[in-house]
Amino acid sequence: QVQLVQSGTEVKKPGASVNVSCKASGYTFATSGITWVRQAPGQGLEWMGWISADNGDTNYAEKVQGRVTMTTDTSTSTAYMELTSLTSDDTAVYYCARAKVRGWYELDPWGQGTLVTVSS
Amino acid sequence: DIQMTQSPSSLSASVGDRVTITCRASQRVAGYLNWYQQISGKAPNLLISGASSLQSGVPSRFSGSGSGTDFILTISSLQPEDFATYYCQQSYSTPWTFGQGTKVEIK
Repeated sequence: QVQLVQSGTEVKKPGASVNVSCKASGYTFATSGITWVRQAPGQGLEWMGWISADNGDTNYAEKVQGRVTMTTDTSTSTAYMELTSLTSDDTAVYYCARAKVRGWYELDPWGQGTLVTVSS
Repeated sequence: DIQMTQSPSSLSASVGDRVTITCRASQRVAGYLNWYQQISGKAPNLLISGASSLQSGVPSRFSGSGSGTDFILTISSLQPEDFATYYCQQSYSTPWTFGQGTKVEIK
């Protein structure tokens, strides 16, 4: 079945960087994009950006533009999201999701989430 | 950016009730509107895409309607496993944006 499996919990100090991975299986990786969404404790869902697994094109949310880099490795069907200059505001669960085109884009499935805690 | 506003933010309902959640976009998004269910502590799960297309495996008590700026998610007969938070999301233009969520609680 189509599945996304993310890397494990991270604890970082302010100013550090974090790299979260998302390994896809059950479909041809290059046929869909990958979206990254985060959810701060007790809050809603925030779209961070999108990457095409086909050609590497990216589109980042303005809020994280300049601090986020999304990449893919088609040889291992894995997507990566690096976020730099972390602050406590970046404490959240980070999700990857397949961005599948059906005329519209739909996010399905989602990874299990990676908790990133930023604390001194 | 397109702002998505859901109402209500929360509701209390009983098993068997009919529940409707609305989602309004700040500008037209055609039918590029998805609905997700998030059970506490879990990843979101896609229920409906393209405003009204029910995902495979999702019970038929869920339905979606609307186009342009106004959309509705309906649960025809609420079941115990439906108590969760529901989010709408537009994919008409980037940044793709989510509603603030509607928490459905047990009455």
